[in-house]
Amino acid sequence: TQLLEQSPQFLSIQEGENLTVYCNSSSVFSSLQWYRQEPGEGPVLLVTVVTGGEVKKLKRLTFQFGDARKDSSLHITAAQPGDTGLYLCAGIGGAGSYQLTFGKGTKLSVIP
Amino acid sequence: NAGVTQTPKFRILKIGQSMTLQCTQDMNHNYMYWYRQDPGMGLKLIYYSVGAGITDKGEVPNGYNVSRSTTEDFPLRLELAAPSQTSVYFCASSYGWLQGRRGQPQHFGDGTRLSIL
Repeated sequence: TQLLEQSPQFLSIQEGENLTVYCNSSSVFSSLQWYRQEPGEGPVLLVTVVTGGEVKKLKRLTFQFGDARKDSSLHITAAQPGDTGLYLCAGIGGAGSYQLTFGKGTKLSVIP
Repeated sequence: NAGVTQTPKFRILKIGQSMTLQCTQDMNHNYMYWYRQDPGMGLKLIYYSVGAGITDKGEVPNGYNVSRSTTEDFPLRLELAAPSQTSVYFCASSYGWLQGRRGQPQHFGDGTRLSIL
């Protein structure tokens, strides 16, 4: 069973602060996706990372895939209240598997 | 654009009752999925389908059934509701599964919040 551990589980910060959330596993994934989920809605894909060491930027969000493709991080610069939500990482496994392995998520609150 | 539509949004069932959660997508996606999301537990795959007439079990299929008679629709059936099935259920769809090693984005509905009392 492939597991993805996300940390921290909860994070409450002031507007304008920077933050990093982590997604770690002992398993290797062929690629990893980050989703954001707002209350009462389904998750929405933010980014997919594929290559070990890959860094992708999406405005104030920076995503990194670990060199060994076992871990990933999401860094938010100058957080805004609109960034509030549940951030989920999901791993794509080996050939023949149609299952995304989801982490439990990091619940972020950005206080104005 | 409708995307993935789930009905109902909320439902309360008594133990032992049955119901069908509806899911339809208008993006002509071949792949469809049902997940459940429990508080603090992330999303777990219940069933998935790679095309009309083809379904398969995910991680937590017990107590559920699915069918896929058309590309658009993927209903989830609970036959004998149990308190352990209290959860938020999400339906998702994707055009394919992989493009190279990159997972295809899954498009989620807004969920059905189900309580079994």
